Amino acid sequence: GAVVSQHPSRVICKSGTSVKIECRSLDFQATTMFWYRQFPKQSLMLMATSNEGSKATYEQGVEKDKFLINHASLTLSTLTVTSAHPEDSSFYICSARDRSWTEQFFGPGTRLTVL
Amino acid sequence: AQTVTQSQPEMSVQEAETVTLSCTYDTSENNYYLFWYKQPPSRQMILVIRQEAYKQQNATENRFSVNFQKAAKSFSLKISDSQLGDTAMYFCAFMKRGSGNTGKLIFGQGTTLQVKP
Repeated sequence: GAVVSQHPSRVICKSGTSVKIECRSLDFQATTMFWYRQFPKQSLMLMATSNEGSKATYEQGVEKDKFLINHASLTLSTLTVTSAHPEDSSFYICSARDRSWTEQFFGPGTRLTVL
Repeated sequence: AQTVTQSQPEMSVQEAETVTLSCTYDTSENNYYLFWYKQPPSRQMILVIRQEAYKQQNATENRFSVNFQKAAKSFSLKISDSQLGDTAMYFCAFMKRGSGNTGKLIFGQGTTLQVKP
């Protein structure tokens, strides 16, 4: 299957700082990328859908000014958590697909800890 | 709006035995896909099996098979000859198909499966 990478795998930051997480499709062109948040032992919660070259579509209740998503190329999307607070600590997962595909492929996730 | 429900938060099975995980969903759509994903302790999401709603035949992938009951909106996963490596959290997911499809997956709450030696 297709490969999606995320960087970093773990990040610890101080409250009030911003953190950027990268999601890359390594062997295909990702016309659509998705960002999820997952709390321990819970399901994946979709935060936003991003299509290459256009603004991300955020799910209800997700603050777009807090979680900035950029999908500037067909292989890279970034999620920036701005002015992070301890409640933003979570596991963030991206996935990617080509628009003609049924399946989406998941990255390995990023564990964010805000102190 | 579509919803996916997994009513079994935790299950366990002895190695080599068979276990069935339940999933029900609600939708007014007629054209869609259903998936089972596995998330082992590494937390990497892995596609286990996929079912297209217009296909009556149940999907199978080696030891994994589904029982798809479209009228009942039920989509259970059967794991045969359970192995220790099957220990994971399993998610049922729904995806709308057709024009306007964004590829968005709607996940159930998940079932944690423990395979015991």
